[in-house]
Amino acid sequence: EADIYQTPRYLVIGTGKKITLECSQTMGHDKMYWYQQDPGMELHLIHYSYGVNSTEKGDLSSESTVSRIRTEHFPLTLESARPSHTSQYLCASGDRIYGYTFGSGTRLTVV
Amino acid sequence: DQQVKQNSPSLSVQEGRISILNCDYTNSMFDYFLWYKKYPAEGPTFLISISSIKDKNEDGRFTVFLNKSAKHLSLHIVPSQPGDSAVYFCAASSNNAGNMLTFGGGTRLMVKP
Repeated sequence: EADIYQTPRYLVIGTGKKITLECSQTMGHDKMYWYQQDPGMELHLIHYSYGVNSTEKGDLSSESTVSRIRTEHFPLTLESARPSHTSQYLCASGDRIYGYTFGSGTRLTVV
Repeated sequence: DQQVKQNSPSLSVQEGRISILNCDYTNSMFDYFLWYKKYPAEGPTFLISISSIKDKNEDGRFTVFLNKSAKHLSLHIVPSQPGDSAVYFCAASSNNAGNMLTFGGGTRLMVKP
């Protein structure tokens, strides 16, 4: 049974729409992360959080924003989706010693 | 500048044989290394890890070897099974970089029946 949940699994949306990708974890982890991955490419960190009310941008510049109002919830929002945002978005939580637990991902297609 | 590199984008192995996936790193401060496995349309799952104080860690069919002087680690899978076909990512972290994992680009393993 997954301890970190992402919804939706798949999303096809029109250009200009606002979308929120949900991520929730039940493990009580303080640290959470969002990665973006294109097929066959490496994982790019786009946002992370070390706890409630803490958010930082990652290595890869992203037009998305995140919030962390509750420990278990780390949603990612795109205010105006574009075709260049088409990708897989992976949420994770955990630390470097025990490793990250990843969600199943959201495959986003912007048409 | 990529600090963790997996120079082989793909590897094909016959079922029952050994699969060896390689990973090189440049940051000498890295002291903890992990391997993840990823199927298409799913998130990566943790496989095995190793601390820099060790040179080998074994878990069932999976063994990770660490050569600190060469800044090189490898994942051995033996015997390989068709269900092992996936993309494998190595990741590294250092104590002075918070809890950030730095991932390699991945190697696609194909195990042929």
